Amino acid sequence: DIQLTQSPSFLSASVGDRVTITCRASQGIRSYLVWYQQKPGKAPKLLIYAASTLQSGVPSRFSGSGSGTEFTLTISSLQPEDFATYYCQQLNSYPRTFGPGTKVDIK
Amino acid sequence: EVQLVESGGGLVQPGGSLRLSCAASGFSFSDHYMGWVRQAPGKGLEWVGRIRNKADSYSTDYAMSVRGRFTISRDDSKSSLFLQTNSLKTEDTAVYYCARIYRNNWGEDYFDYWGQGTLVTVSS
Repeated sequence: DIQLTQSPSFLSASVGDRVTITCRASQGIRSYLVWYQQKPGKAPKLLIYAASTLQSGVPSRFSGSGSGTEFTLTISSLQPEDFATYYCQQLNSYPRTFGPGTKVDIK
Repeated sequence: EVQLVESGGGLVQPGGSLRLSCAASGFSFSDHYMGWVRQAPGKGLEWVGRIRNKADSYSTDYAMSVRGRFTISRDDSKSSLFLQTNSLKTEDTAVYYCARIYRNNWGEDYFDYWGQGTLVTVSS
């Protein structure tokens, strides 16, 4: 199975900050990576697919990049509604593993 | 509007079984692959499995942790997805989400819509 790691696991930031989350795969997965946002008690929401393509309706302050084994999710200017946990997921092979998550909290 | 509504969760003893259901509406259910994801209390997301559509023979894939114990099925006539869970263990305690899979032109298939989840608690 492909293992995904995320760093940091926890991040404290202020409104307006630029935030970057990294997802690393245990083997190359081309650009077959997606990012989800999950708020407490809610289902995950798709943010980015194909490593860098914004899902319809997602604000442009979110962006993704990377290929192979290293990927990043960037929030250019953190907004109050962005405080949540973020997960990456690889789509290169089965099982479709998720990263352990990065919780973004209010400083 | 796409809607996915799970049901069937509850308290079950170790070794027991539960059948989870997911009622879909607002899209052509039969065209889509569908999947299940679970989340143990306070933990991250775990991919459980996926079922393809009729055109792809309703084939399934499962996480190793549930293979041989869980079975995903679907009834396209009722726009419904199912997860039969057998030989349940305490570590299967989780919120179970059903999700629609979207397949793009680059060969990716990812969850684009999710239900609200149903809680399964395995405890004696």
